[in-house]
Amino acid sequence: DTAVSQTPKYLVTQMGNDKSIKCEQNLGHDTMYWYKQDSKKFLKIMFSYNNKELIINETVPNRFSPKSPDKAHLNLHINSLELGDSAVYFCASTPSGIYVNSPLHFGNGTRLTVT
Amino acid sequence: TQLLEQSPQFLSIQEGENLTVYCNSSSVFSSLQWYRQEPGEGPVLLVTVVTGGEVKKLKRLTFQFGDARKDSSLHITAAQPGDTGLYLCAANSGGSNYKLTFGKGTLLTVNP
Repeated sequence: DTAVSQTPKYLVTQMGNDKSIKCEQNLGHDTMYWYKQDSKKFLKIMFSYNNKELIINETVPNRFSPKSPDKAHLNLHINSLELGDSAVYFCASTPSGIYVNSPLHFGNGTRLTVT
Repeated sequence: TQLLEQSPQFLSIQEGENLTVYCNSSSVFSSLQWYRQEPGEGPVLLVTVVTGGEVKKLKRLTFQFGDARKDSSLHITAAQPGDTGLYLCAANSGGSNYKLTFGKGTLLTVNP
């Protein structure tokens, strides 16, 4: 069974469009994250949610709006897509925050291409 | 400034060779994690180091945490093509337990 699953795997869209990426985890974790990996493979945190509550917003443009309907889901909606939004977006989860015995469990990523 | 500096950025070697990847910082960490990412997949944890001077072994991979807990290294002995991937070090930053910051990674290619 997939622990952290993201959909879609690939997303190709035009500038100015609005799109959503969905994430679900079946690990029973309380904390979920969105990370962005750019073309140089740099992995940068965007958001952290704990128990449906926003904990970290890493100076991400307002066009990005995460939503957590429940602890098992964290979706990412992006408005007015720009070329620079092209990247691989990773969802991840941990039991409760990041501690020695609770590493990040990542999904397999969503490759977003904005044309 | 980058919290975690990894070197080298790229490494291409022949099967059977040994290699070392470095992760350095000016900050002190309570712990540091190493992940490996394969193409088309998310990063997967390899090991967490906690104690200064600690050495952990995972088959042919040896991880060391610096005495001052500011740096770490990953040594691979007799590399195999299956070791190919992006190696990332990561640590909590800003005193937050909800923000894991990654280094820029070392992209390793092991040629048969």
